[in-house]
Amino acid sequence: GEDVEQSLFLSVREGDSSVINCTYTDSSSTYLYWYKQEPGAGLQLLTYIFSNMDMKQDQRLTVLLNKKDKHLSLRIADTQTGDSAIYFCAEILSGGYQKVTFGTGTKLQVIP
Amino acid sequence: NAGVTQTPKFRVLKTGQSMTLLCAQDMNHEYMYWYRQDPGMGLRLIHYSVGEGTTAKGEVPDGYNVSRLKKQNFLLGLESAAPSQTSVYFCASKIAGGSYEQYFGPGTRLTVT
Repeated sequence: GEDVEQSLFLSVREGDSSVINCTYTDSSSTYLYWYKQEPGAGLQLLTYIFSNMDMKQDQRLTVLLNKKDKHLSLRIADTQTGDSAIYFCAEILSGGYQKVTFGTGTKLQVIP
Repeated sequence: NAGVTQTPKFRVLKTGQSMTLLCAQDMNHEYMYWYRQDPGMGLRLIHYSVGEGTTAKGEVPDGYNVSRLKKQNFLLGLESAAPSQTSVYFCASKIAGGSYEQYFGPGTRLTVT
C-alpha cells in the first residue's frame, strides 16, 4: 500500500542547515517530490527526483534518496526566515501517473 | 495565465446544507484533482479526473461528488454537509505524464457547523 510519513515539526536557527525526512512504503515509486506550502497558500513544487537517482542538488536544496531504506530527505542550506513553511514529500507510483500520494507535511520554523 | 483558481475562498455551512466548489485552470491540463487538508494528516485525495467527462474516486470520496463537464473546470459537490467535512480544500491540475508537477489553487476554507 501507499503510505508516506514525515515528522510534523522542525525548528532551526537562521543560517543553519535544515534536514526534512520522509519515509515511504511502496518500492514502485517512480518520481518523488518536495512541495512547499506557505501560510494561507496552495502547494508549490520545490524539486523532484527520479527513482533511479541517489541525489539531486539545486542551489540551496539537496535531495537524497535511499531506495533500500525507502527514505527521502530534503536539505536546505543556510536556512532563511523565508523558508518557514510546511514541506510535503510526495510520490508517484509506476503505472499510476494520475495519482500523487502526499506525506503528512513537516512544519519548518526558522528562528532569527 | 491565472493558473488554478478556486471559488469561493471561504464558506460557512450549516449541517445538511449543500454547496459546490469550483476549480478552473487555464493551462489546458488533462488531469485535475480535489484534495482536503486537515492538521497532521497532510493532503488526502478526494476525487480526480484524467480528462473531460471522466472522474475517479480517491482515498476519501464519501460524502462528495464531482463533475468534469469541461476540460478546464472540475466541480466538487457536498450534497449534505457534515461537521467532519470542515477542512481546507485544494484543487490541482497536471499535464498527463510522470514527472510533471501538480499546480495547486489557493484553497477554500470550509467550516460546517
